[in-house]
Amino acid sequence: QVQLVQSASEVRKPGASVTISCKASGYTSTDYRFTNYALSWLRQAPGRGPEWMGYVNTYTGKPSYAQDFTGRFVFHFDTSVSATFLQINNLRSDDTATYYCAGGINSPFDYWGQGSLVTVSS
Amino acid sequence: SYELTQPPSVSVSPGQTARITCSGDVLAKQYVHWYHQKAGQAPTLVIFQNSERPSGIPERFSGSISGTTATLTISGVRTEDEGDYYCQSADKSDTYFYVFGGGTKVSV
Repeated sequence: QVQLVQSASEVRKPGASVTISCKASGYTSTDYRFTNYALSWLRQAPGRGPEWMGYVNTYTGKPSYAQDFTGRFVFHFDTSVSATFLQINNLRSDDTATYYCAGGINSPFDYWGQGSLVTVSS
Repeated sequence: SYELTQPPSVSVSPGQTARITCSGDVLAKQYVHWYHQKAGQAPTLVIFQNSERPSGIPERFSGSISGTTATLTISGVRTEDEGDYYCQSADKSDTYFYVFGGGTKVSV
């Protein structure tokens, strides 16, 4: 069973940066459908639904960003530790949200991390 | 861009049937998937590819689609079915992206 485990919640001041990690486990090297697929990042602001930010191809390492998440957001995938990372630069108060990583085979989001709350406050 | 439209809320008594709709033009071409989110938890997949149920999801959850409207049906609703339900689909016409409906809060 695939598991996605995310790093702990973070508090930052406006203008700072934060990096969240998401480590995948429970799949074998022969499960090409997962390893050759994509891990997505999603944002969920308080009281709102999930919003897809983009994904990183876990085979090529290439990121792809949704239109609203270009510029300050950076994804990358470290194959040596089977983990994907989300870096958010120049944080703003409206970046306060829970960030999820998710991946799947039957759907884009069969599996979800537990979420990482990022709070931006002065 | 496009939208997926869901009713904001549905209220049902235990044992009744809840139906949640999701409408959008792209549903005529792309699969819809459904997720359930309980308070304070990550979403979980309950229906994929319009009508398929993942392993471990109770049979009372079913999905259907007609034209541009998908429906998630929960038969014999239980209190643990409370929470927010989101439909999700994809647009591959230009740049590939995923979108969610606004969510439906189910109260039991």
